[in-house]
Amino acid sequence: QKEVEQNSGPLSVPEGAIASLNCTYSDRGSQSFFWYRQYSGKSPELIMFIYSNGDKEDGRFTAQLNKASQYVSLLIRDSQPSDSATYLCAVKTSGTYKYIFGTGTRLKVLA
Amino acid sequence: EAGVVQSPRYKIIEKKQPVAFWCNPISGHNTLYWYRQNLGQGPELLIRYENEEAVDDSQLPKDRFSAERLKGVDSTLKIQPAELGDSAVYLCASSPRRQSGPDNEQFFGPGTRLTVL
Repeated sequence: QKEVEQNSGPLSVPEGAIASLNCTYSDRGSQSFFWYRQYSGKSPELIMFIYSNGDKEDGRFTAQLNKASQYVSLLIRDSQPSDSATYLCAVKTSGTYKYIFGTGTRLKVLA
Repeated sequence: EAGVVQSPRYKIIEKKQPVAFWCNPISGHNTLYWYRQNLGQGPELLIRYENEEAVDDSQLPKDRFSAERLKGVDSTLKIQPAELGDSAVYLCASSPRRQSGPDNEQFFGPGTRLTVL
């Protein structure tokens, strides 16, 4: 079992819809969770981080964390074609500064 | 504020040749990471520095890879000799060390795309 798992996609959603990206992790000691966006040929850029159970909202983005289920998700409301990218989930284990990345989910927002 | 700087952006070499990548982190960031990202994969950690100390190099192929971070600022990652399978994007990232809080986001440089022929 991979430490951080994501569906590679592509996930296709129409413009204006909600895109839901999911990530599961295996280490129960994981403490912090990060979502990065990576455009083709570019480096990852941080969108959000979350470390408490529940929801965290930032503009059109909402991160959701459920530690009991070892599940973290990212919702993108009112999806735009410019949101088309690969979304990477990263998990940091408690007491370390080591990040484990998933393989990423490719999102395509159709105009 | 300047971001993480990496050079070169692209490098094409023949197998068995040496290659070096350079990274300048964000000013004041104590932690520096080198990652390798293969096509269609997430970044994989090669080595992490806290200031000038390599605190996690468990995934660095030490037979051919080496790294240094002199004076705890700039860092260099070297491959000697390069193999075909080393073709990838090499990413440098840095993060500040905070005294409290579980979050410690990292910021990535633009990466170096290495092609080994």
